Amino acid sequence: AQSVTQLDSHVSVSEGTPVLLRCNYSSSYSPSLFWYVQHPNKGLQLLLKYTSAATLVKGINGFEAEFKKSETSFHLTKPSAHMSDAAEYFCVVNPPTNFGNEKLTFGTGTRLTIIP
Amino acid sequence: DAGVIQSPRHEVTEMGQEVTLRCKPISGHDYLFWYRQTMMRGLELLIYFNNNVPIDDSGMPEDRFSAKMPNASFSTLKIQPSEPRDSAVYFCASSNRQGAVHNEQFFGPGTRLTVL
Repeated sequence: AQSVTQLDSHVSVSEGTPVLLRCNYSSSYSPSLFWYVQHPNKGLQLLLKYTSAATLVKGINGFEAEFKKSETSFHLTKPSAHMSDAAEYFCVVNPPTNFGNEKLTFGTGTRLTIIP
Repeated sequence: DAGVIQSPRHEVTEMGQEVTLRCKPISGHDYLFWYRQTMMRGLELLIYFNNNVPIDDSGMPEDRFSAKMPNASFSTLKIQPSEPRDSAVYFCASSNRQGAVHNEQFFGPGTRLTVL
């Protein structure tokens, strides 16, 4: 079984300040982990993914995330927030393909608001 | 590549009417997923296909919902009869495998369904 917990449903930061969106996962195997972003009235877009290679993953738009197995965390960060970062962010767990289950497990989402 | 294509983008219908949502996955992808997103329930997986075959439809809410994938480039999600509680944004996504790693899902822009 696997689960994802996004610790904050809503985060507000000022433009130009760092962003931290927290995600903890639970899995009985080594999963792949993704962060998706959803802008208002848009579909979901992949920000970055971890697939058991480097633990620090860089994504688009200056975002990065670090996989910490000991803490079962995969927090998303960005050094300096931009107004265009305002969106909903989803942390997602993906099981290995040899499990015969292709279902992703989505977190409940974190809404990021950027204050001008 | 045009990405995942969904039509229509918006649909407004009256209770009791039949609704058909359409999806064209990315060429070469062998997995197709249908999701529903609402404020109350977040993102829910309804059904997914592998090589045009339905693999898991446990998320389909009830018999009023049906999905087909007649070929690798087309899928439909049908609701008959529709009810106001079906109002939601419906997303289609596609993906493929690369060895033991399951690649990320690519999402379409969604169909916003309103049932009056």
